[in-house]
Amino acid sequence: DVKVTQSSRYLVKRTGEKVFLECVQDMDHENMFWYRQDPGLGLRLIYFSYDVKMKEKGDIPEGYSVSREKKERFSLILESASTNQTSMYLCASSSTLSRGGNQPQHFGDGTRLSIL
Amino acid sequence: QQQVKQSPQSLIVQKGGIPIINCAYENTAFDYFPWYQQFPGKGPALLIAIRPDVSEKKEGRFTISFNKSAKQFSLHIMDSQPGDSATYFCAATIDNYGQNFVFGPGTRLSVLP
Repeated sequence: DVKVTQSSRYLVKRTGEKVFLECVQDMDHENMFWYRQDPGLGLRLIYFSYDVKMKEKGDIPEGYSVSREKKERFSLILESASTNQTSMYLCASSSTLSRGGNQPQHFGDGTRLSIL
Repeated sequence: QQQVKQSPQSLIVQKGGIPIINCAYENTAFDYFPWYQQFPGKGPALLIAIRPDVSEKKEGRFTISFNKSAKQFSLHIMDSQPGDSATYFCAATIDNYGQNFVFGPGTRLSVLP
């Protein structure tokens, strides 16, 4: 079974702090994703990565950055946390097959981040 | 054009009922439509998925119906059980190496005993 592990289930930080959310997957997947989940808005893509050291902006990248130094690890960074970044953050991974073979995304259990 | 609309926002049915969740999209380039199930405190998990070359796909009690001309697809849960109570997300993506999914806003389903 694919395992996507997020380092913290709950996190409380203060406004202005630099916050790191870590995600590790154990299936050698090429693709990794960071989403935030808010009631009524579903899952919104923040950043994704196709390969080590590669990153692409999603729909809501403002205020966030990412790092992918190793294939299995994808970090989300809040450069200067603000209260509107209080949310549930979900990490996901997927493999890349040859064209015609969409692969599902496998999610971690999320980090509930509160910014005070 | 990248949006996926989903309704209803919440749904309550009795055990044994058949809840139906509907989704609609605009981008005709989408060619893979998964449904995810999320229990409280857990991440979403793939439930069932369909490609536009078929009109229906069934896996156990879960069925996806797909209407390509209307750009709509729906999830039906047969003989629903209290254990099916969860939030359901539809999604869509284009078959490319990026696997960039677009998710609907979710439907919270409650199945009463």
